[in-house]
Amino acid sequence: DQQVKQNSPSLSVQEGRISILNCDYTNSMFDYFLWYKKYPAEGPTFLISISSIKDKNEDGRFTVFLNKSAKHLSLHIVPSQPGDSAVYFCAASGTGTASKLTFGTGTRLQVTL
Amino acid sequence: DSGVTQTPKHLITATGQRVTLRCSPRSGDLSVYWYQQSLDQGLQFLIQYYNGEERAKGNILERFSAQQFPDLHSELNLSSLELGDSALYFCASSLTTSNSPLHFGNGTRLTVT
Repeated sequence: DQQVKQNSPSLSVQEGRISILNCDYTNSMFDYFLWYKKYPAEGPTFLISISSIKDKNEDGRFTVFLNKSAKHLSLHIVPSQPGDSAVYFCAASGTGTASKLTFGTGTRLQVTL
Repeated sequence: DSGVTQTPKHLITATGQRVTLRCSPRSGDLSVYWYQQSLDQGLQFLIQYYNGEERAKGNILERFSAQQFPDLHSELNLSSLELGDSALYFCASSLTTSNSPLHFGNGTRLTVT
């Protein structure tokens, strides 16, 4: 049972444009959501998070939006840069999960020149 | 650099053998998590320890076990290895058990031949 889903395995965006990565979840107990970036041969790196009491959190070029009624979150990267090319994982945790994260399967973002 | 150290980086062993993966968490972090990432899969939660005690268990096989020592480093023991155990094993740490980002090491790549 995949509780966190990233339905797009890959995404290609031109440099300077907006990248939008999507994530859906099914568990109503999730109340904390995170995005991680992963380069080859490295561990996932924490990017940005959002609590369920908010619907938007911004950090520089990265903004995460949360739509609780739709159980959907998205990560916006503006403007996209070649160094953003990586695999992006959505993750969630919540009440009763002892803060363990449940991850999606990832979206590979390629930012082209 | 996340501050989480995992050794060894690579491990090649035969079926039926036993291996130990080691993790040193970030300085000050009390919680340690183990995740498994098989080929093209998301990260699957195995087990969590907090200050030496097991806190949560995920999809961890009975052939696998872990512990966290008084100095807070952790070891994941994998025994009676099978071909399907070949994967990347990540360790992560966090300061608390409430909602907070996990910081990942660079993983141990286990190949079972």
